[in-house]
Amino acid sequence: QVQLQQSGAELTKPGSSVKISCKASGYTFTSYDISWIKQRPGQALEWIGAINPGSGGTGYNEKFKGKATLTVDKSSSTAFMQLSSLTPEDTAVYYCAIGGELGYWGQGVMVTVSS
Amino acid sequence: DVVMTQTPVSMSVSLGGQVSISCRSSQSLVHNNGNTYLSWYIQKPSQSPQLLIYKVSNRFSGISDRFSGSGSGTDFTLKISRVEPDDLGVYYCGQGTQYPYTFGAGTKLELK
Repeated sequence: QVQLQQSGAELTKPGSSVKISCKASGYTFTSYDISWIKQRPGQALEWIGAINPGSGGTGYNEKFKGKATLTVDKSSSTAFMQLSSLTPEDTAVYYCAIGGELGYWGQGVMVTVSS
Repeated sequence: DVVMTQTPVSMSVSLGGQVSISCRSSQSLVHNNGNTYLSWYIQKPSQSPQLLIYKVSNRFSGISDRFSGSGSGTDFTLKISRVEPDDLGVYYCGQGTQYPYTFGAGTKLELK
C-alpha cells in the first residue's frame, strides 16, 4: 500500500534553515508528482509547490519562492523540502502528498521556529 | 490565485442525518482539457487530510457511497448522508485546475 513516511518534528531558531523528508513506498516513485502543503495551527491548507520525481522539475507557489526548495533522491525514493530564513510565521505542520488530486498524504512534520 | 469560498464555516448534525457543504471558486474550474479539478478532503482531529472526492464527483478508493460530490463551473457541493461518528472533522475543498493549488478555509462538522 502507498505510504509516505515523513521525518520527525523540528525545533529551530529564527534565521536558520531546516530540511524535512518524505520517504515513499508502495508505488513507483517516479509515477506521481509530490506536493508539499503547509498548515499553521488551527488554519487552512496552503500549497507550497510540487516536484516531478522523474525529471526533478519543480513548480512553486509564488508566496513560497525563496522560502522553500524541493528536491528528491530517486535512489531512496525520498523527497525533501528545505525551508530557509525561518521566522515564527513558518511554524506549522508540513505535509507531503502525491498525485494531481493529492490522493495520499504523509503524517506531517511539525516545525517550530522559536528563539 | 483562485479563491475557494466554503460555506458554512461550521455545522452540527445528528448521527444518521444528512449534510451539504458548499464550495464556490472565484474563477471557473474547467481546465483547457475539459476536466474540472475540484476535490474534497476530510481532516479528522490530529490526522492528515484524506482525499474523499476528486474531479467533482469521483469517490477516491475506499470512500463510502454516503459521500457524493456535484457541481460545475464555480459552484460545487459535497453531500454526506447517514452521518456516522467517523465523519466528524474539517472538510476542505481544493482546486488543481490553475496553479497554485488552493483550498477553501474549511467546514467543521460537529455532532448536534
